[in-house]
Amino acid sequence: DGGITQSPKYLFRKEGQNVTLSCEQNLNHDAMYWYRQDPGQGLRLIYYSQIVNDFQKGDIAEGYSVSREKKESFPLTVTSAQKNPTAFYLCASSRLAGPQETQYFGPGTRLLVL
Amino acid sequence: AQSVTQLDSQVPVFEEAPVELRCNYSSSVSVYLFWYVQYPNQGLQLLLKYLSGSTLVKGINGFEAEFNKSQTSFHLRKPSVHISDTAEYFCALSGGSYIPTFGRGTSLIVHP
Repeated sequence: DGGITQSPKYLFRKEGQNVTLSCEQNLNHDAMYWYRQDPGQGLRLIYYSQIVNDFQKGDIAEGYSVSREKKESFPLTVTSAQKNPTAFYLCASSRLAGPQETQYFGPGTRLLVL
Repeated sequence: AQSVTQLDSQVPVFEEAPVELRCNYSSSVSVYLFWYVQYPNQGLQLLLKYLSGSTLVKGINGFEAEFNKSQTSFHLRKPSVHISDTAEYFCALSGGSYIPTFGRGTSLIVHP
């Protein structure tokens, strides 16, 4: 079955630690996205990538970093500079980077701070 | 700039009753509108989308939505809800940018 996988399901971060969230898709989609979801705030865009080896900052990129070395993979690193990282993180992909495209979402990773 | 407003943060309803979840948008260019559903602790999945043509759009699980350009609305409806419809529903808009703008979500709570 084609789809998007995210791991781990739950992740715990200690003070001053960087952590990396995995996102893999086997849909052969060009575009990939990372969102942060907090209760009552909807989805906020962190980073997005239209194509391999290219990515752009979204609305709340500070304290996060990404890479896109392979078409199917778009890992997100939450750095120690992100002071309030507790949230539900969603990865998504779309066939192309276009306004009519449907986004396909992974099951999410919940990040908690110890 | 484009924006999406979901007018209700929570909508409680009894099973088998009809429901309408409201979505209004603002955009200066042509719009494409989407409704996504999120079940607890899961990702979002597409319910339906309006790209062009007929203003009444039918989606999965018996949901439908009507695009109203004069009212700048894209309300989601279902004539008879089930317990299993309990979820968070997000309206999203794209057009000026290929990156969609999501509303804050409406929590649909179906009571037996």
